[in-house]
Amino acid sequence: NAGVTQTPKFQVLKTGQSMTLQCAQDMNHEYMSWYRQDPGMGLRLIHYSVGAGITDQGEVPNGYNVSRSTTEDFPLRLLSAAPSQTSVYFCASSYFSGGTQYFGPGTRLLVL
Amino acid sequence: AQSVTQLDSQVPVFEEAPVELRCNYSSSVSVYLFWYVQYPNQGLQLLLKYLSGSTLVKGINGFEAEFNKSQTSFHLRKPSVHISDTAEYFCAASQGGSEKLVFGKGTKLTVNP
Repeated sequence: NAGVTQTPKFQVLKTGQSMTLQCAQDMNHEYMSWYRQDPGMGLRLIHYSVGAGITDQGEVPNGYNVSRSTTEDFPLRLLSAAPSQTSVYFCASSYFSGGTQYFGPGTRLLVL
Repeated sequence: AQSVTQLDSQVPVFEEAPVELRCNYSSSVSVYLFWYVQYPNQGLQLLLKYLSGSTLVKGINGFEAEFNKSQTSFHLRKPSVHISDTAEYFCAASQGGSEKLVFGKGTKLTVNP
């Protein structure tokens, strides 16, 4: 049981480039979410999904896109990277939206 | 909407001393409460949770928290800390378990020898 996995661990992008952060879980959880963590800001919700085919915006969705074609995968796309998107990104999953969240190890992103 | 306030951004303590990390939430209506810990360069892991029942909740690594409805608080405590407890601790809440989890901004606990 791998839990929640994220790739890559670390990425450097130039302003304007696009990329996809991968997230997968093998616990058959319906709810998945993406957070960004910045110093002194805690975790802020970017996008979330309550099941395959259903996604919605969180607190800070601008500049990010998501889709959920399967229960297992929930990729996060940066459409045109900006320095303000330099952050650590965490994917999480749970049985339901308000329940215990299981976190991945994170992706550290640097946008130059 | 639910909000969570962690009153201290940093808490330094000496090894073997007791510690309390404070957390207040905004609404007690069917609230679910959590404490997560994040060790350096790692993801978050669950320390303990309150869903219902006994107001004193025991978690991993000797931590416990008490749900106080009248004070809308869920403070985390440990009677004697170790160097290995140095980490960032996050309080989180959801309303009725059907709403999104809301996190506090975190408290950095530093345990000094």
